[in-house]
Amino acid sequence: DVKVTQSSRYLVKRTGEKVFLECVQDMDHENMFWYRQDPGLGLRLIYFSYDVKMKEKGDIPEGYSVSREKKERFSLILESASTNQTSMYLCASSIDRTDQGYPEKLFFGSGTQLSVL
Amino acid sequence: AQKITQTQPGMFVQEKEAVTLDCTYDTSDPSYGLFWYKQPSSGEMIFLIYQGSYDQQNATEGRYSLNFQKARKSANLVISASQLGDSAMYFCAMREPSYNTDKLIFGTGTRLQVFP
Repeated sequence: DVKVTQSSRYLVKRTGEKVFLECVQDMDHENMFWYRQDPGLGLRLIYFSYDVKMKEKGDIPEGYSVSREKKERFSLILESASTNQTSMYLCASSIDRTDQGYPEKLFFGSGTQLSVL
Repeated sequence: AQKITQTQPGMFVQEKEAVTLDCTYDTSDPSYGLFWYKQPSSGEMIFLIYQGSYDQQNATEGRYSLNFQKARKSANLVISASQLGDSAMYFCAMREPSYNTDKLIFGTGTRLQVFP
């Protein structure tokens, strides 16, 4: 089974801190994604990566950056945490879309609930 | 504009009854895919079912089926014979192509409560 592991289930940080959220997948997936989930807003895509060192902005990239130095690891960075970044963060991975006939199914981690005080 | 719309914030259903969760989508791409995910209170996202835009038949997976009406741009999830363990958030999502890879765009979700 595919496993996507997020390093922390709960995290509490202070305003202005630099925050790292780590995600590791063990199935050699090319694509990795960071979403945030807020009540009433569903999941919104922050950033995604389709290869090592390659990244693309999602719908709400402001205030975030990402790093993908190794294929299995995708980090989300909050350069200076703010209270409006308090949220559930979900990491996901998927195989390359060029695999014929395979739907773009995402495998998710169990999420990190980040509170910024 | 919303690309995926789930108009039901919450739904209630009695155990053993069927329930339909609504999802409409908006795209001009002729090739797209639609997904449903379940999120129990534990927080994990569980893939339920997939429908491709060119699929001739409605997708089914056990008690889950997808009522795909292409002309109406709707992809409703039907859960038959509801169980207490079906109580969860349900998200509809659509594959959106981008230059380098596809990404999934999610709706706002529907919270389903199954009561005895």
